[in-house]
Amino acid sequence: EVQLVESGGGLVRPGGSLRLSCAASTSGLNAYAMNWVRQAPGRGLEWVSIISRGGTITQYGDSVKGRFIISRDSSNNMLYLQMNSLRAEDTALYYCAREAFTIWGRGTMVTVSA
Amino acid sequence: QSALTQPPSASGSPGQSVTISCTGSSSDVGAYNFVSWFQQLSGKAPKLVLYEVSKRPSGVPDRFSGSKSGNTASLTVSGLQTDDEAHYYCSSYAGGNKYVFGTGTKVTVL
Repeated sequence: EVQLVESGGGLVRPGGSLRLSCAASTSGLNAYAMNWVRQAPGRGLEWVSIISRGGTITQYGDSVKGRFIISRDSSNNMLYLQMNSLRAEDTALYYCAREAFTIWGRGTMVTVSA
Repeated sequence: QSALTQPPSASGSPGQSVTISCTGSSSDVGAYNFVSWFQQLSGKAPKLVLYEVSKRPSGVPDRFSGSKSGNTASLTVSGLQTDDEAHYYCSSYAGGNKYVFGTGTKVTVL
């Protein structure tokens, strides 16, 4: 079964930027829409963004719209999340998840702090 | 885009059943049969246990069942086992390519 692996998390100052990546163990990313979902420490799940199979359609949750950009590189079987103007409340474990949330990665931690 | 409402906690003894509710609105749960449920064990990534209200992915035991009435969906775990102790989250399609998750329920097996 395909596995998803996120990377790119880390510590960043408020107002800074970070780009997260999600790689699939097989070529299974390209045939599906992909999501980003986050979970703040000790809190619940929050849907962040979705991108269509072809990458032409994107959508964002209200809390990140205008600051985050989702994209994908079909040639490299990769998914990305460009996060700009980061705030303390963006601190969370970020998961990539395949269409309909059928498969999840283990997540990458983003901490926004001065 | 408000989170779906779930009870913070639920519990049952081994062998018993527990039912968790997930209340949304006529814009999400009430509008679409795209309600999913996830099990999140401590320190692990979420795992899909039900999709499209009541369908089980391969490998999920039939002890997990789902239903929906109006703006409220429900997950029932029958024949509770100690391995079922986890957080459970619902999600729903909310139109316009958007999704919303529930607030989460901690299930304790007594």
